[in-house]
Amino acid sequence: GAGVSQSPSNKVTEKGKDVELRCDPISGHTALYWYRQSLGQGLEFLIYFQGNSAPDKSGLPSDRFSAERTGGSVSTLTIQRTQQEDSAVYLCASSLSSGTGELFFGEGSRLTVL
Amino acid sequence: AQSVTQLDSQVPVFEEAPVELRCNYSSSVSVYLFWYVQYPNQGLQLLLKYLSGSTLVKGINGFEAEFNKSQTSFHLRKPSVHISDTAEYFCAVTRSNDYKLSFGAGTTVTVRA
Repeated sequence: GAGVSQSPSNKVTEKGKDVELRCDPISGHTALYWYRQSLGQGLEFLIYFQGNSAPDKSGLPSDRFSAERTGGSVSTLTIQRTQQEDSAVYLCASSLSSGTGELFFGEGSRLTVL
Repeated sequence: AQSVTQLDSQVPVFEEAPVELRCNYSSSVSVYLFWYVQYPNQGLQLLLKYLSGSTLVKGINGFEAEFNKSQTSFHLRKPSVHISDTAEYFCAVTRSNDYKLSFGAGTTVTVRA
């Protein structure tokens, strides 16, 4: 499809396990974002990639969270030693360029940590 | 840093009635403002945006919003809602030419027949 693709759509894991969430942005979009959506709260910025520049990791909540973007396209968000408070929907978005707010979002990966 | 307050967490409304969703922001610098909509089990999509120019912005599906700089508000309106407008609506702000959007907590609109 032509939209932002995220996988898995649902992930249930046990506390302490590592998880990887994948995002395939729209072809040609140079900017890629990860946000976290928790119940009853707005979207929380996690990390931003733009081209070959160093990513803005200022939103990552702890050092258990990391993300990479390979070849300027696909991105993987990794959460190590998951905790129950990590349960949320993780949203990926991409855009042609940054600064105008026209983000295209995927449907999200719902993570449940038991 | 910018922050966004959506004053209503839940808005029930009857079909064909008007709706207004309130959004206030705090920022000391020039901003861009957005409304996104999230239909059930879908990702967010852009409804409308204000970058500059006319303070009345028209978006998709009959929605419009008005930027009021003195009130630091960007309220969203629709004169007549449909059942299909049932969704969660997010207001967002960013500094001009910045990339980091700050989102409000969302307003859930439930349209009833």
